[in-house]
Amino acid sequence: GIQVEQSPPDLILQEGANSTLRCNFSDSVNNLQWFHQNPWGQLINLFYIPSGTKQNGRLSATTVATERYSLLYISSSQTTDSGVYFCAGLTSGTYKYIFGTGTRLKVLA
Amino acid sequence: EAQVTQNPRYLITVTGKKLTVTCSQNMNHEYMSWYRQDPGLGLRQIYYSMNVEVTDKGDVPEGYKVSRKEKRNFPLILESPSPNQTSLYFCASSPIKGTNTGELFFGEGSRLTVL
Repeated sequence: GIQVEQSPPDLILQEGANSTLRCNFSDSVNNLQWFHQNPWGQLINLFYIPSGTKQNGRLSATTVATERYSLLYISSSQTTDSGVYFCAGLTSGTYKYIFGTGTRLKVLA
Repeated sequence: EAQVTQNPRYLITVTGKKLTVTCSQNMNHEYMSWYRQDPGLGLRQIYYSMNVEVTDKGDVPEGYKVSRKEKRNFPLILESPSPNQTSLYFCASSPIKGTNTGELFFGEGSRLTVL
């Protein structure tokens, strides 16, 4: 089946630093999304980004569907950015969702 | 407010005692789905539904049942829970757009412990 690998698996940043999280798919997926799971376990929608680039405040994301990867950029990180970041997509030709392995981010004050 | 609501949020039960986790959405979405999240295994899809009376298996359907009698509700049923079903469960919904779904929205999660 499709594998979704996220890198890095763990990341520790000082407040104010920038970072790039990557999501690689072993095969085509549709409807790529990025989520943030906060320390309370809630899954927060960040971007719905099947292709192209989007920006929302300090966050931006780029998906290059033809090359099967997506990037999430976090600028000027804050302690509230801590948590786990997941990418997810629809397995092509199905209605099954597959999730990445996650990147655990800790931002230090 | 647009939302996906799950209940209960927390539950401790015993092996073999049937339980139902409810899920309701108020966005008129056609697509609804259930996931479980386990340490080291990430989020895995249990079942999904394209519309009323249309359900299909995800990657880990064993030990679970679902039903979709109304568009807004998609309950997850554990007929005979076992300890390996201890997990954090999420319900999600999205619209259907042509041959694809749209943005997926999650409920707040239900933490289930089976003793």
